[in-house]
Amino acid sequence: DTGVSQDPRHKITKRGQNVTFRCDPISEHNRLYWYRQTLGQGPEFLTYFQNEAQLEKSRLLSDRFSAERPKGSFSTLEIQRTEQGDSAMYLCASSFSGRIYEQYFGPGTRLTVT
Amino acid sequence: RKEVEQDPGPFNVPEGATVAFNCTYSNSASQSFFWYRQDCRKEPKLLMSVYSSGNEDGRFTAQLNRASQYISLLIRDSKLSDSATYLCVSEYGNKLVFGAGTILRVKS
Repeated sequence: DTGVSQDPRHKITKRGQNVTFRCDPISEHNRLYWYRQTLGQGPEFLTYFQNEAQLEKSRLLSDRFSAERPKGSFSTLEIQRTEQGDSAMYLCASSFSGRIYEQYFGPGTRLTVT
Repeated sequence: RKEVEQDPGPFNVPEGATVAFNCTYSNSASQSFFWYRQDCRKEPKLLMSVYSSGNEDGRFTAQLNRASQYISLLIRDSKLSDSATYLCVSEYGNKLVFGAGTILRVKS
């Protein structure tokens, strides 16, 4: 399967713990995006990378959130000191830079903070 | 006010029906528009682009009205497999802005 993959698919954590999610994009894609989706809402943009450079971050991305894409391939999203409001589906997507509207999404990581 | 607004539905229609969804956007600087489809507990997938001149792909027709900042999606001859959430999307800057989605349920 050469699609976008995410790991883990589900994560249950206690409030205050740190969590890290991984995304492996489609290998030829140079853009990688992170979104958050809650029930009844569409995906909300968090941040994106072009190759290894993080070019934009949403104001939704508080200082407890950090994302990296160290070699321009896979990316990680870390949430420190999780809060119950962080419970959501975290989606990763990738695209070619010239076709950013055609984003291919991974299956998501569902985070539950108890 | 949300940047992209949609009627959440659900729209419950019989097989074979024609159904239309509407969407409005608030940012007049938005450059391009799309419809994505999201099945229950699955990831969103690009359905089609939306052009001012209209865009047709089989049973699906999308239309953009820039003057009214309004986007539509028409589905003809609905199939059971069309049941999903349809997300209206605008492209602004280097990112996509998604609406909350419209739920379609096609029943036999």
